[in-house]
Amino acid sequence: DQQVKQNSPSLSVQEGRISILNCDYTNSMFDYFLWYKKYPAEGPTFLISISSIKDKNEDGRFTVFLNKSAKHLSLHIVPSQPGDSAVYFCAARDTGNQFYFGTGTSLTVIP
Amino acid sequence: DSGVTQTPKHLITATGQRVTLRCSPRSGDLSVYWYQQSLDQGLQFLIQYYNGEERAKGNILERFSAQQFPDLHSELNLSSLELGDSALYFCASSFSYSYSGNTIYFGEGSWLTVV
Repeated sequence: DQQVKQNSPSLSVQEGRISILNCDYTNSMFDYFLWYKKYPAEGPTFLISISSIKDKNEDGRFTVFLNKSAKHLSLHIVPSQPGDSAVYFCAARDTGNQFYFGTGTSLTVIP
Repeated sequence: DSGVTQTPKHLITATGQRVTLRCSPRSGDLSVYWYQQSLDQGLQFLIQYYNGEERAKGNILERFSAQQFPDLHSELNLSSLELGDSALYFCASSFSYSYSGNTIYFGEGSWLTVV
């Protein structure tokens, strides 16, 4: 049973525009959410996170929004750059420190 | 560089064989996680160890086993290999579950090809 879902396998965006990656989860006990970025043949690298007590966290061009009532998480990248082209994984942590990952969204930023 | 080291980076072996993947966590990290990523699949959680003890099990086959040693490095053993076991196996580490804002850091993965 997939507790973290990324329903869009891929997304294409023009350079300079906003990229919005979405993630839904089912477990209301998740207390911490993360986004990872993965280039081919490399391990996922941590990008940004948000605690369940917050609804927004910003780090440079990256902002993560959390809507707990909707059990929805999104990552905004503004402005998008070609180097942002990668697979993005959403993850959630439960109180037992287990991390659950979505299946990823492949972002392509078109120059 | 995440600080998590995995060996070997690439491995080709035949069906029915057994392989061992090795992981050294980041310095100071007590938890080790193993994940499997098959073609077009997300990261499937296999197993977690904390300070030498198994903490959680995910979708790990009975043919697979893991352990974490006193020096905190971990090994994932895959036996009676099948073609479907071909995948990228990631190790990740974190400090502990008691630290709020905990994040896990991934190694570069071990590519396993079963032929």
